[in-house]
Amino acid sequence: GQQVMQIPQYQHVQEGEDFTTYCNSSTTLSNIQWYKQRPGGHPVFLIQLVKSGEVKKQKRLTFQFGEAKKNSSLHITATQTTDVGTYFCAVKFKAAGNKLTFGGGTRVLVKP
Amino acid sequence: GAVVSQHPSWVICKSGTSVKIECRSLDFQATTMFWYRQFPKQSLMLMATSNEGSKATYEQGVEKDKFLINHASLTLSTLTVTSAHPEDSSFYICSANHDGRPSYEQYFGPGTRLTVT
Repeated sequence: GQQVMQIPQYQHVQEGEDFTTYCNSSTTLSNIQWYKQRPGGHPVFLIQLVKSGEVKKQKRLTFQFGEAKKNSSLHITATQTTDVGTYFCAVKFKAAGNKLTFGGGTRVLVKP
Repeated sequence: GAVVSQHPSWVICKSGTSVKIECRSLDFQATTMFWYRQFPKQSLMLMATSNEGSKATYEQGVEKDKFLINHASLTLSTLTVTSAHPEDSSFYICSANHDGRPSYEQYFGPGTRLTVT
């Protein structure tokens, strides 16, 4: 089936540093969503990107949708311990209706 | 708000028994709910799409007779794991589409951790 690849799988970040996680698809996407799952918790919706080249910011988080709408990135600046968790991208493929396909996630660990 | 609850939050059962997990939308109506399974340190895998008043749509490889889904009302969907085995041990998470909001956003429940001994 159609998949979406997410890299890196793990990200160890020093507190205060920046990092980026990437999500890639082989097919053009209509939109992409990002979720955060804290350890032991459930996914929480962060944002949806729809337009080619779209950039949205939420405080220290910057989300970008590629021009070709095949990839997306999440960049976090000045990482804090509260950023610990797994960040998933999720997409809806055209033939899949309302179903979300999740990427493998990037597990973020923050070193104080 | 859009709050989804799950019950129980965790359950331990013996091999061969059945376990029912409830997913409720507390402050909104949800015609469509989704059931996911998540193994440790892995991503969410969609098991089935649950629609109120109709049969659930199962993903390829998910046994419908083993994972029974009932969506009898606009606020409740249940997942019953029948004849559970240790390999069914996992984190089961439901999500719901808010009927009054864009369908792109899914609201997730807190999950149910199932351990089969």
